[in-house]
Amino acid sequence: QKEVEQNSGPLSVPEGAIASLNCTYSDRVSQSFFWYRQYSGKSPELIMSIYSNGDKEDGRFTAQLNKASQYVSLLIRDSQPSDSATYLCAGYNAGNMLTFGGGTRLMVKP
Amino acid sequence: EAGVAQSPRYKIIEKRQSVAFWCNPISGHATLYWYQQILGQGPKLLIQFQNNGVVDDSQLPKDRFSAERLKGVDSTLKIQPAKLEDSAVYLCASSLLAVRGGYNEQFFGPGTRLTVL
Repeated sequence: QKEVEQNSGPLSVPEGAIASLNCTYSDRVSQSFFWYRQYSGKSPELIMSIYSNGDKEDGRFTAQLNKASQYVSLLIRDSQPSDSATYLCAGYNAGNMLTFGGGTRLMVKP
Repeated sequence: EAGVAQSPRYKIIEKRQSVAFWCNPISGHATLYWYQQILGQGPKLLIQFQNNGVVDDSQLPKDRFSAERLKGVDSTLKIQPAKLEDSAVYLCASSLLAVRGGYNEQFFGPGTRLTVL
């Protein structure tokens, strides 16, 4: 089992809708998680970090962490075409290395 | 605040040639990371430095890859000799002093896109 897994997508949502991106992780990954946004041809940009169970909101973004079920999610409200990108989920493993999922490609259609 | 700087942005070389990448982290960031990102995959850590010491290089192919951070600030990553499968984007990231428990936010530079022909 990979340490961090994501559905590669693409996930297609209409403009103005809520985009829901999910990520699951193995026992080898610790309890702190990060969401990065990566536009095509660009480097990853940190958009959210979450360390404890529950929700964390920042503007149109909400990260959710469920330790019991070992999943992390990112909700994007009022999705815009500019949100179209690949979203990478990452968490620290037991060796203190940040390990990434393969990313989910999000497409927001006008 | 200036971000992580990397150069060159693009590099094309023939297989068996050598290549070097340079990275300057965010000012004040003690920890520096080099990642390899192959198209369609997430970044994979190659090496992590804390100041000028290596913390983890378990995933660095040491027969051809080397890296240094001599003065605890900027760093170079070298590949010699390059193989076709080294074609990827090489990303440098930095964070404040890394502590166990994983609460270290990492910030990435623009990357170097390497093509090996």
